[in-house]
Amino acid sequence: SAVISQKPSRDICQRGTSLTIQCQVDSQVTMMFWYRQQPGQSLTLIATANQGSEATYESGFVIDKFPISRPNLTFSTLTVSNMSPEDSSIYLCSVEVADRGSYEQYFGPGTRLTVT
Amino acid sequence: QKEVEQDPGPLSVPEGAIVSLNCTYSNSAFQYFMWYRQYSRKGPELLMYTYSSGNKEDGRFTAQVDKSSKYISLFIRDSQPSDSATYLCAMSAYSGGSNYKLTFGKGTLLTVNP
Repeated sequence: SAVISQKPSRDICQRGTSLTIQCQVDSQVTMMFWYRQQPGQSLTLIATANQGSEATYESGFVIDKFPISRPNLTFSTLTVSNMSPEDSSIYLCSVEVADRGSYEQYFGPGTRLTVT
Repeated sequence: QKEVEQDPGPLSVPEGAIVSLNCTYSNSAFQYFMWYRQYSRKGPELLMYTYSSGNKEDGRFTAQVDKSSKYISLFIRDSQPSDSATYLCAMSAYSGGSNYKLTFGKGTLLTVNP
């Protein structure tokens, strides 16, 4: 398994501003992911972040809105840019860990974002 | 049709009851099946991970996969108030490299009443 921490745990931001969320893992991992969880909706994958390469974004998510950095094997950041109330959500970081031939994903505690 | 459908609940049961949580899926490429438990204001916690059709047991929890029917279930025996949480099913298909992209259900909110 992996122990994941996120900062901040929550924030209230004004529309038009940006927020950077940090994700720290207690071990080196190749694959890190960023998800969004909105009330009543499934967890939605925003992007996959591999160390040393550009993040891969899912349909509906773009780099200008959600720039991601992955400077090393234990750390990543997600920025929510030019925020609007529709960006209010929980943002979750996860990592993929190989375990005896299977690949399991573990999640951080999440960042609860409210945009006013 | 959504790739993964999950009974939305909410589900309320008395302590000691057997709980059955279910998901159906449409994508035959899904190979791995997971159940996550998410307590209020916490991140999802991996509960069960299965690959093949059949049952996998871990303590009071049993995960069941029926690939022919595209149906998975999680059974909780002797349910406890501490089991009260949202349960998310998730499935993955290989998407290149070591990346198995997860697709989640919406989650079922379970309350176990003492």
